[in-house]
Amino acid sequence: AQSVSQHNHHVILSEAASLELGCNYSYGGTVNLFWYVQYPGQHLQLLLKYFSGDPLVKGIKGFEAEFIKSKFSFNLRKPSVQWSDTAEYFCVHGGSQGNLIFGKGTKLSVKP
Amino acid sequence: NAGVMQNPRHLVRRRGQEARLRCSPVKGHSHVYWYRQLPEEGLKFMVYLQKENIIDESGMPKERFSAEFPKEGPSILRIQQVVRGDSAAYFCASSPGSSGRTEKLFFGSGTQLSVL
Repeated sequence: AQSVSQHNHHVILSEAASLELGCNYSYGGTVNLFWYVQYPGQHLQLLLKYFSGDPLVKGIKGFEAEFIKSKFSFNLRKPSVQWSDTAEYFCVHGGSQGNLIFGKGTKLSVKP
Repeated sequence: NAGVMQNPRHLVRRRGQEARLRCSPVKGHSHVYWYRQLPEEGLKFMVYLQKENIIDESGMPKERFSAEFPKEGPSILRIQQVVRGDSAAYFCASSPGSSGRTEKLFFGSGTQLSVL
C-alpha cells in the first residue's frame, strides 16, 4: 500500500537554527510530491511541490525540498527558521485518482 | 476571492445522532475532496467528488458515511448514528479540475466533530 513516512513527530528549534524535516514515500509510480503547512488555527497551505525536473524545489517563505529518487525521499529544509514558522508540516504524495496520501505531520515549535 | 468554506467550524453530537458537514468549494471549482484527521494521525483521504458524481470513495467507511456534491449548493458529508470514534477534524479541499495530477488543492479550515 502507498504510504508516506515523516521521521519526526515534534521538532523544537531556536530562531535562526537550520531546519530539515525528513519524508520518505513508498509509492514507486508517478511522482507527485508536496509539502503542506498548517499554521495554528488555519487551513492547510501548499509550501512547495515536485512533479519532475530539477530535484531541488524552491517554495514559499524560504523553504526548499530535495527529491532523491534512489532514497524515495523528499526532505524539507530551511536555512534559518523564524518564530512564525511554528506550525505543523505535512509531506504528501498524490495518487493517480486525485487522492492524497499524507504523512502523520511534524509539529515544529520555534523558540524566540 | 473566498476560499473553501466549511461549516460548522465545530460540531458536537451525542452518540446515535446525525452529523452533517458542509463544504463550499472555491468559486468555479468542480472537484471536491474530503479528508479526515484523527488525533495523532495524518490526514486520510475519504472521498473525491465532481458535480453530481462520486469519483472515488475508497476511503469512506462502508456504513453510516455518505457524501454528495449536488449541481447546486455545497458538498455535504453525512455521518449517521455517530459513534465516539467518529470524533475527528474533517477537511474539505477543492480544485478546478483534474488532469490526472493533483496539482493545487485549496483546503478549508476544517470541521471539528466531537461525539459525546
